[in-house]
Amino acid sequence: GQQVMQIPQYQHVQEGEDFTTYCNSSTTLSNIQWYKQRPGGHPVFLIQLVKSGEVKKQKRLTFQFGEAKKNSSLHITATQTTDVGTYFCAGRKAAGNKLTFGGGTRVLVKP
Amino acid sequence: DTEVTQTPKHLVMGMTNKKSLKCEQHMGHRAMYWYKQKAKKPPELMFVYSYEKLSINESVPSRFSPECPNSSLLNLHLHALQPEDSALYLCASSPKPPGTAVTEAFFGQGTRLTVV
Repeated sequence: GQQVMQIPQYQHVQEGEDFTTYCNSSTTLSNIQWYKQRPGGHPVFLIQLVKSGEVKKQKRLTFQFGEAKKNSSLHITATQTTDVGTYFCAGRKAAGNKLTFGGGTRVLVKP
Repeated sequence: DTEVTQTPKHLVMGMTNKKSLKCEQHMGHRAMYWYKQKAKKPPELMFVYSYEKLSINESVPSRFSPECPNSSLLNLHLHALQPEDSALYLCASSPKPPGTAVTEAFFGQGTRLTVV
């Protein structure tokens, strides 16, 4: 079955520094989505990438979809304490309604 | 209204109890989902409803029984659960039906279930 893996599992970041989390799928995806879940909260949609090689930015967050549509990355610059939470990528195969979540990257920010 | 509302927020039930989790959305979304999330794990898909019909059942044990009475409501009936079923149960909805352009999932706050 489809597997979506994320690395690293944990990311300890000094406030102000940058970091990147990576997402890899065992199969080609029609699209990939990113979600953020704060401690004690629920997943909140951040972005959706559909096109091969697509890059999207949201303020300090940059999302990229690989050329082969099997991997993605999220890069956060100048990390803030509000960035604390778990970032999940979620991939969907073509013409399907099943979203498969990666294991998540748990981000802790040191002030 | 851009919310997915789940009730109750917390539920403690015994292994012989019958209870139901409820989910409601008024965004006109045509796909609704149940996910189970254990601590420090990603959400795991349980069921997908499209146009009020069950389209995906991820081999979920029969002690979990979903129901979609109408396009706005989704229930999850629970019976004879085990302690290992304790988890956060998340409901989500998506605007578009299956097989069309991809669309994001809007999650509810979840029901934190404890089986004793």
